[in-house]
Amino acid sequence: DAGVTQSPTHLIKTRGQQVTLRCSPISGHKSVSWYQQVLGQGPQFIFQYYEKEERGRGNFPDRFSARQFPNYSSELNVNALLLGDSALYLCASSFSRGVDTQYFGPGTRLTVL
Amino acid sequence: AQSVTQLDSHVSVSEGTPVLLRCNYSSSYSPSLFWYVQHPNKGLQLLLKYTSAATLVKGINGFEAEFKKSETSFHLTKPSAHMSDAAEYFCVVTFSSGTYKYIFGTGTRLKVLA
Repeated sequence: DAGVTQSPTHLIKTRGQQVTLRCSPISGHKSVSWYQQVLGQGPQFIFQYYEKEERGRGNFPDRFSARQFPNYSSELNVNALLLGDSALYLCASSFSRGVDTQYFGPGTRLTVL
Repeated sequence: AQSVTQLDSHVSVSEGTPVLLRCNYSSSYSPSLFWYVQHPNKGLQLLLKYTSAATLVKGINGFEAEFKKSETSFHLTKPSAHMSDAAEYFCVVTFSSGTYKYIFGTGTRLKVLA
């Protein structure tokens, strides 16, 4: 079975631009979570979506938004990019919303110049 | 507040010697705990998890961890290190409340010396 997939693999943007990152969960998984991993640090929780609704949000500004589609895939949008948004963005899927093992994709490396 | 602390940012061991990566958590609720490994340019891979069953948890690649409630610890061990174990290791905690988000430690970089 295919694991969690993310696209694109790498992305370079300039300050002020907008970016959309995509994630496809493992087949049958209904929950998708997004994390930001800055170089040298552990991943930080951004959002969790379950059954197409936002179920949790981390301490990130409103420039960050996300959505989940009927097929459970998800997009993460970041507006008005700042240099500090440069990071590895990880998507994780799980079957349920509760205490459940999350399976991570390879990530999208975003560089903001 | 819920948090997790990895006590060592870097650990170096010789090949064939034991590995100990330390993790402590703080929680008002019963935690579920995980260890993930991240190899360079690869995604996070689950090593093992504790979800209130047996306190000694065995994972992949010979790793195991013991949940000690009295010490609020979940240290990761392996009897004999292999060169392929060199990677970044993250201790993760989540709780049966709220968003069920993962809270990651800051990571421990394991170096294995030949």
